[in-house]
Amino acid sequence: EDQVTQSPEALRLQEGESSSLNCSYTVSGLRGLFWYRQDPGKGPEFLFTLYSAGEEKEKERLKATLTKKESFLHITAPKPEDSATYLCAVLDDYKLSFGAGTTVTVRA
Amino acid sequence: DAGVIQSPRHEVTEMGQEVTLRCKPISGHNSLFWYRQTMMRGLELLIYFNNNVPIDDSGMPEDRFSAKMPNASFSTLKIQPSEPRDSAVYFCASSLDAGHSGYTFGSGTRLTVV
Repeated sequence: EDQVTQSPEALRLQEGESSSLNCSYTVSGLRGLFWYRQDPGKGPEFLFTLYSAGEEKEKERLKATLTKKESFLHITAPKPEDSATYLCAVLDDYKLSFGAGTTVTVRA
Repeated sequence: DAGVIQSPRHEVTEMGQEVTLRCKPISGHNSLFWYRQTMMRGLELLIYFNNNVPIDDSGMPEDRFSAKMPNASFSTLKIQPSEPRDSAVYFCASSLDAGHSGYTFGSGTRLTVV
């Protein structure tokens, strides 16, 4: 069965303090690794898809990278509006299996 | 596009009552997914439809849960009878290509069974 483990569970950052979130996975046939952002009371919002080891994607202050066993989401110089829960998921055929998420809080 | 639309946003019901959650997927998307989110178990896939046909319902907890997709623009998730342990946020998501380019989620229905 697919397994996705995210760490840390929670991350408290000062505004401008860069950090990284980890997502390790085991899946029989990876068809994609996805990062989502979820704000309180809302559904997950798509950020990135990575398909192969070595691939990188960027969006504003966020950068996602992928290896054969894990993915990192780097947050550079975060702002308070980057506070959210970040979810990692792996696609196996049609099913997205999610990790428990990392809750990021950025203080001004 | 208005995105995936779910209703109601919040539902409070008494144990034993029937609950129906509704979802309108994005027009043109041929895959629809129902997920449940709890603190203990995170996001879990309940059922997957492709072209209105249920493909995988292995995540449906028990016979009290049922889902239908009578046409490409509407799906329901029904719980009968409801129990307190069914309290969770239920998300509907849709996709163009069986999820390969990711899902678009609705805002969810927060269900509380008292």
